[in-house]
Amino acid sequence: EPEVTQTPSHQVTQMGQEVILRCVPISNHLYFYWYRQILGQKVEFLVSFYNNEISEKSEIFDDQFSVERPDGSNFTLKIRSTKLEDSAMYFCASSDRGRSYNEQFFGPGTRLTVL
Amino acid sequence: AQSVSQHNHHVILSEAASLELGCNYSYGGTVNLFWYVQYPGQHLQLLLKYFSGDPLVKGIKGFEAEFIKSKFSFNLRKPSVQWSDTAEYFCAVSPNYGGSQGNLIFGKGTKLSVKP
Repeated sequence: EPEVTQTPSHQVTQMGQEVILRCVPISNHLYFYWYRQILGQKVEFLVSFYNNEISEKSEIFDDQFSVERPDGSNFTLKIRSTKLEDSAMYFCASSDRGRSYNEQFFGPGTRLTVL
Repeated sequence: AQSVSQHNHHVILSEAASLELGCNYSYGGTVNLFWYVQYPGQHLQLLLKYFSGDPLVKGIKGFEAEFIKSKFSFNLRKPSVQWSDTAEYFCAVSPNYGGSQGNLIFGKGTKLSVKP
């Protein structure tokens, strides 16, 4: 069964460093999402992406964040200058249609630890 | 602001007990509703969803949920739980408006532990 994959599973970085989190969505999916979950808190929507551009983004997704689909398979989330409060689990998801009733398929997550 | 509340943080049940997990949402417009489950060490996966029609929806593994619009609720139920249902359960809503790309708003999750 096709699945969303994410790398790395765990990333440790120093405050102020740039990190890139990678996701490979399911191959025929066209809509892509990033969510994050700070320890003990809710899973929060960050951004959705379709047709090589951002469709929607939350207040969390400020200028420090960017997303890219550099090739036909990868979907990346970049944090330019990490802060302590960026420590969280980051989930990538994909869907074959960008409708609100559509199922999103989630990856296993990347745990980001900012020291 | 849109939000989703799950009333129970951790539920502990014995096998064969009945389960009901509460979920309420706050949003003035039309929503689509989901329950996702995360088994230990696994991905979030869809358990069931509601977007129209019969407000009682059936999902995988014997789970069902009922949408009560007047109460803004979408509670998850299972008549008889099994040890393998031990997992974390997340209620989520997706506002349904023109141009929506389906971003999900999650509750905090409810951890279910089933004792054999």
